[in-house]
Amino acid sequence: AQSVTQLGSHVSVSEGALVLLRCNYSSSVPPYLFWYVQYPNQGLQLLLKYTTGATLVKGINGFEAEFKKSETSFHLTKPSAHMSDAAEYFCAVSDGPNDYKLSFGAGTTVTVRA
Amino acid sequence: NAGVTQTPKFQVLKTGQSMTLQCAQDMNHNSMYWYRQDPGMGLRLIYYSASEGTTDKGEVPNGYNVSRLNKREFSLRLESAAPSQTSVYFCASSDLSYLAQYFGPGTRLTVL
Repeated sequence: AQSVTQLGSHVSVSEGALVLLRCNYSSSVPPYLFWYVQYPNQGLQLLLKYTTGATLVKGINGFEAEFKKSETSFHLTKPSAHMSDAAEYFCAVSDGPNDYKLSFGAGTTVTVRA
Repeated sequence: NAGVTQTPKFQVLKTGQSMTLQCAQDMNHNSMYWYRQDPGMGLRLIYYSASEGTTDKGEVPNGYNVSRLNKREFSLRLESAAPSQTSVYFCASSDLSYLAQYFGPGTRLTVL
């Protein structure tokens, strides 16, 4: 069974600074990996996904993530934070194409300081 | 194209009452899911339906039942609500051609 660990439940960054959100997973098979964003009182929106192929994945709003198999990690980054990036971010994993289910991390709340 | 819709948006129940949360998607997806979100715990899968006519338990199914009414609709029923079921409930759908799940706006449920 897969599991996801997000390091840090809260991250505070200055506007214009690097955003780095950490995600480590465990999976018995090559995983599919996802990052979702949740703005207050809304549902989850897909930021990006890794299934196969290139390990550096670009998503919406300037975010990207890199799949590192040797480190079982899928960290999310954005070079320059904007006030609109304040939200909660969730990492999720599934056991590849034959598994419909996602396992989610506990989430990381990002605040952006002016 | 509304995506995934959920009704109601908010609900307050007394312990022991029953209710059904409704979910519909207009993206012709085969698979649908119900999650609950609690602070500090991320989203936990309650039930899912891989395709029309099938349903399976997820991580936290106790106290819930589901019905896949047709390809579009997937409902979640609480037969006898308990305070521990106070949560935000999300419905999602997906298709194997895209793999990612699309989420509805959620239902905020309080059980007194």
